[in-house]
Amino acid sequence: DTGVSQNPRHKITKRGQNVTFRCDPISEHNRLYWYRQTLGQGPEFLTYFQNEAQLEKSRLLSDRFSAERPKGSFSTLEIQRTEQGDSAMYLCASSSGGRDQPQHFGDGTRLSIL
Amino acid sequence: AQTVTQSQPEMSVQEAETVTLSCTYDTSESNYYLFWYKQPPSRQMILVIRQEAYKQQNATENRFSVNFQKAAKSFSLKISDSQLGDTAMYFCAFMRGLGNEKLTFGTGTRLTIIP
Repeated sequence: DTGVSQNPRHKITKRGQNVTFRCDPISEHNRLYWYRQTLGQGPEFLTYFQNEAQLEKSRLLSDRFSAERPKGSFSTLEIQRTEQGDSAMYLCASSSGGRDQPQHFGDGTRLSIL
Repeated sequence: AQTVTQSQPEMSVQEAETVTLSCTYDTSESNYYLFWYKQPPSRQMILVIRQEAYKQQNATENRFSVNFQKAAKSFSLKISDSQLGDTAMYFCAFMRGLGNEKLTFGTGTRLTIIP
């Protein structure tokens, strides 16, 4: 169990640029979640996958955001035409099947928009 | 929609003392899970303890225990014999239904353990 891995750890970009984050879940975890955490707040749900199927998307996920999990393993979260308000920590979590299985979180990717 | 409220933005306590963090939630669901997560400074979120709504017995994990009051929709965390390593942000979280679904978090309580 190597844990949930997220890359990059930090991303600094100019407003209007596109960014992509990657999440590698714990091996054989079939559920993968994305959350966004702004300073002083708790994480807010963005979307989640079961295997390669995207099962739910939050209203927070505007059309500038897209997430994929093409082979049911790693996932990417892309933000197009970044805005100042996108500055946040983006957290990924994964869990295995079963009602009582907890979500395991990665270290997150901190996005800063200049 | 579910909401989770943590009314204590910050707390501090002397090492070895006991501290209780408060959490209330609002839901119309009958089957759900409640969690406490810990987020140390610049480190990843870690599960501390979880409670299934249909279980009346309060969950315990070593020095951590909860007081689950379902009718009052209250879910507090008690940390006994607090240690310096307990210094962290603590988030209360709600998950509905059968599990393995999204978590709804509160705004967190910043806990500082004073040597």
